[in-house]
Amino acid sequence: QVQLVQSGSELKKPGASVKVSCKASGYTFTSYAMNWVRQAPGQGLEWMGWINTNTGNPTYAQGFTGRFVFSLDTSVSTAYLQISSLKAEDTAVYYCARGSSSANFDYWGQGTLVTVSS
Amino acid sequence: QSALTQPRSVSGSPGQSVTISCTGTSSDVGGYNYVSWYQQHPGKAPKLMIYDVSKRPSGVPDRFSGSKSGNTASLTISGLQAEDEADYYCCSYAGSYTFDVFGTGTKVTVL
Repeated sequence: QVQLVQSGSELKKPGASVKVSCKASGYTFTSYAMNWVRQAPGQGLEWMGWINTNTGNPTYAQGFTGRFVFSLDTSVSTAYLQISSLKAEDTAVYYCARGSSSANFDYWGQGTLVTVSS
Repeated sequence: QSALTQPRSVSGSPGQSVTISCTGTSSDVGGYNYVSWYQQHPGKAPKLMIYDVSKRPSGVPDRFSGSKSGNTASLTISGLQAEDEADYYCCSYAGSYTFDVFGTGTKVTVL
């Protein structure tokens, strides 16, 4: 069965960096795009962008350029989200979601809570 | 790209039907047949309920249906059940520059 398992919660200080992992299993990793979605506390879902798992080419939504980096390690079927120069407003749950087609996220990771606090 | 507009909340009694709207523009909802809907229970990951406007993934009850007219997509839950109480989000493709955008979210309450 398809599974996306994300790394555990993180507590970081402002200015630090964090790297969230998303390990896929149950399907051919390079056959589907991987998307990232943010959900701030008590807020809605926000699409951050996606990465082409064949080419490694990332695409970032407006507002997620510069400090956000998507990457892959196809040898272990894992996608990564790295956020640098963390700010308090980056505090959120970050989800990875498999992209089956346009705006079609058929499997989701369990989410990773990133808390930024001094 | 602004979020798609959804009502903040809708409610209904068990057995009734509720409909959630998702309003965008001709650049997203109205321009493509790529609208999906997600159910999210508190503290849980979202779950795909509808994709490509009206298609249901296997395992999703046929009480859930989707449609679109112009720039507005809709999710209807028929025969409302207690377990349907959750937040619901729409999502639409918005072209090869913006890609995907979510709606503001709707809380469904079963009275």
